Amino acid sequence: AQSVTQLGSHVSVSEGALVLLRCNYSSSVPPYLFWYVQYPNQGLQLLLKYTSAATLVKGINGFEAEFKKSETSFHLTKPSAHMSDAAEYFCAVRGILTGGGNKLTFGTGTQLKVEL
Amino acid sequence: EAGVTQFPSHSVIEKGQTVTLRCDPISGHDNLYWYRRVMGKEIKFLLHFVKESKQDESGMPNNRFLAERTGGTYSTLKVQPAELEDSGVYFCASSPLGSYNYGYTFGSGTRLTVV
Repeated sequence: AQSVTQLGSHVSVSEGALVLLRCNYSSSVPPYLFWYVQYPNQGLQLLLKYTSAATLVKGINGFEAEFKKSETSFHLTKPSAHMSDAAEYFCAVRGILTGGGNKLTFGTGTQLKVEL
Repeated sequence: EAGVTQFPSHSVIEKGQTVTLRCDPISGHDNLYWYRRVMGKEIKFLLHFVKESKQDESGMPNNRFLAERTGGTYSTLKVQPAELEDSGVYFCASSPLGSYNYGYTFGSGTRLTVV
């Protein structure tokens, strides 16, 4: 079984400050991990993914995440927050469906607020 | 390319009524998924189609929910009769066959409110 825990349902940072959104996972198979972002009134957009290649994954909009097996973590970071980063962020882990498809198990989401 | 399209974007219905949500996947995407987010909770898997066949519907909450995918193209999710606890955002996603290393492409969701 797979599960994801996102620590902090709300995170607030100043513009220009470091963004750190935490995600810890549990998986009975080698994990494939994802970060999605949902901007207001939009759908879920894939930010980045870890699929057992490089442990440091770079995504869109300057975000990156590091897979740490020893800590079962996949935290999302961005060196300098921008006002446009304000959104809800979801961490997800892939499971395998009986039909061969992917089943994503999501965390509860972290709402990021960026202040001037 | 056009993305995953869902409509309506919002729906407000009374308890006991029927609502049908529609999803148009990206053309050529054989995998189609439905997810739901109840307010304050995580996004949860409902079911998975490959073309017109249901592959996994283990996440469907009960038999008031019926999903179809006619001809392997668009999909509908019907709730009949709707209950208050069905309120939430329903997401559809699609992906090509064999794309198991990749994330899906999600639609913008349908926000369902049952009053």
